[in-house]
Amino acid sequence: DAKTTQPPSMDCAEGRAANLPCNHSTISGNEYVYWYRQIHSQGPQYIIHGLKNNETNEMASLIITEDRKSSTLILPHATLRDTAVYYCIVRGTASKLTFGTGTRLQVTL
Amino acid sequence: ETGVTQTPRHLVMGMTNKKSLKCEQHLGHNAMYWYKQSAKKPLELMFVYNFKEQTENNSVPSRFSPECPNSSHLFLHLHTLQPEDSALYLCASSPGTDSSYNEQFFGPGTRLTVL
Repeated sequence: DAKTTQPPSMDCAEGRAANLPCNHSTISGNEYVYWYRQIHSQGPQYIIHGLKNNETNEMASLIITEDRKSSTLILPHATLRDTAVYYCIVRGTASKLTFGTGTRLQVTL
Repeated sequence: ETGVTQTPRHLVMGMTNKKSLKCEQHLGHNAMYWYKQSAKKPLELMFVYNFKEQTENNSVPSRFSPECPNSSHLFLHLHTLQPEDSALYLCASSPGTDSSYNEQFFGPGTRLTVL
C-alpha cells in the first residue's frame, strides 16, 4: 500500500474549518484514501473514504487532487469534540488498513 | 456506539495468569480483526478472520491465541504475557476483507496491564 505523510499536529479554533492535509504521492490507480480518527483512548472511528472524486458526508468532506497524490480532510465547523488523532490511510481493495502516526488535531476555544 | 462491544474494558493480570478478551459485533459483518496499540505507537494489526477462518496472523507471539467461533464473536486468549504486552487491544469488524467498501467499525478496546 502507498505510504502517507501527515503533519504531526495542528490547531484549529472552534467554529472554524479544520483542513487536514495528507500526501500519498505513490498511490496507485486502484487504491482508496480512507480517513479515520481516534479520540483519546477510544477505538478509531471511520470518517470518510474516496477514490478520485471529492466526497462529502455528515461528518466531513474529502478533497482529492486531480493527480491523486494528495488529499485534504475538511471538518467544516470544528468543535471541541473533534479533538483527536486523524489518520489518513491508503489501501487497495484486498489489503489491510495500515495506521501511521496521524495528525493530532487540537480544537481550542 | 459502533455495534462492536468489547469486554472487559480494563484488565490487570500477572505474567502467570490466563485470561481472555471478548469481542462481539451486532452488524452482520463477516470479518473481524484484533489490533494492538501500545503507548505512543501506531495501531498494529494482529489477526484477521473472515467467515470464521483466520486469514492473517501478523507474526504474533503464541502467547496470544485468537478464537473465532462464529462471525459475530472473536476472542483473544492470553497466557504467560510479558509487561511489554501492556496495551490497548482493539477489536474491529467489517462487511468483508476484499471489497472496495471495507469500512471497519472498532470497539472501545480493552486496556490491558501486565504486572
